Amino acid sequence: AQSVTQLDSQVPVFEEAPVELRCNYSSSVSVYLFWYVQYPNQGLQLLLKYLSGSTLVKGINGFEAEFNKSQTSFHLRKPSVHISDTAEYFCAVHNQAGTALIFGKGTTLSVSS
Amino acid sequence: SQTIHQWPATLVQPVGSPLSLECTVEGTSNPNLYWYRQAAGRGLQLLFYSVGIGQISSEVPQNLSASRPQDRQFILSSKKLLLSDSGFYLCAWSVTSGRKNIQYFGAGTRLSVL
Repeated sequence: AQSVTQLDSQVPVFEEAPVELRCNYSSSVSVYLFWYVQYPNQGLQLLLKYLSGSTLVKGINGFEAEFNKSQTSFHLRKPSVHISDTAEYFCAVHNQAGTALIFGKGTTLSVSS
Repeated sequence: SQTIHQWPATLVQPVGSPLSLECTVEGTSNPNLYWYRQAAGRGLQLLFYSVGIGQISSEVPQNLSASRPQDRQFILSSKKLLLSDSGFYLCAWSVTSGRKNIQYFGAGTRLSVL
């Protein structure tokens, strides 16, 4: 069965510093992977997705993620964060039937000046 | 372009009262529709999904039900709310291509049961 583990529940970082949010997955079939961002009291916004092809995926707001099949990881990175990046970030993988997403428990990114 | 609407944005209801949350999608036909609940510190839990009118799959047995009376309308209901029903409810839509199922979310409804 598919599952997602986000290794850090909270990541505090200073503005303009680089950040990596870690995500590991478990899947018995070929994977499609996603990162979503949720700002306070808002819905989820798709940041980026891996469906096939290049293992380095670029998304919105300067974020990127790398699909690593051997390590079953899909870590999210940004070279220089802004205060406005403060939000909760969710990693997700398709369920086996492809009918729904399985989400990690989320990582709260807190950017301070 | 496609848009998804959820209402109300916030709702405060007493224990034992009924619930109806509505979600509609514009700009696409025959979408897959989803209801998720996000409880504090517990991530997102898939409650229901629908691949067509009148077709509802329940992921978790609980005090809630869902209906899809029209192609682009998805309703989450309860006859009697419990305290544990409090949370942030999110509707999502997708169009499946093979196993590629990219979901797009509404703005959510914050439900407080008191």
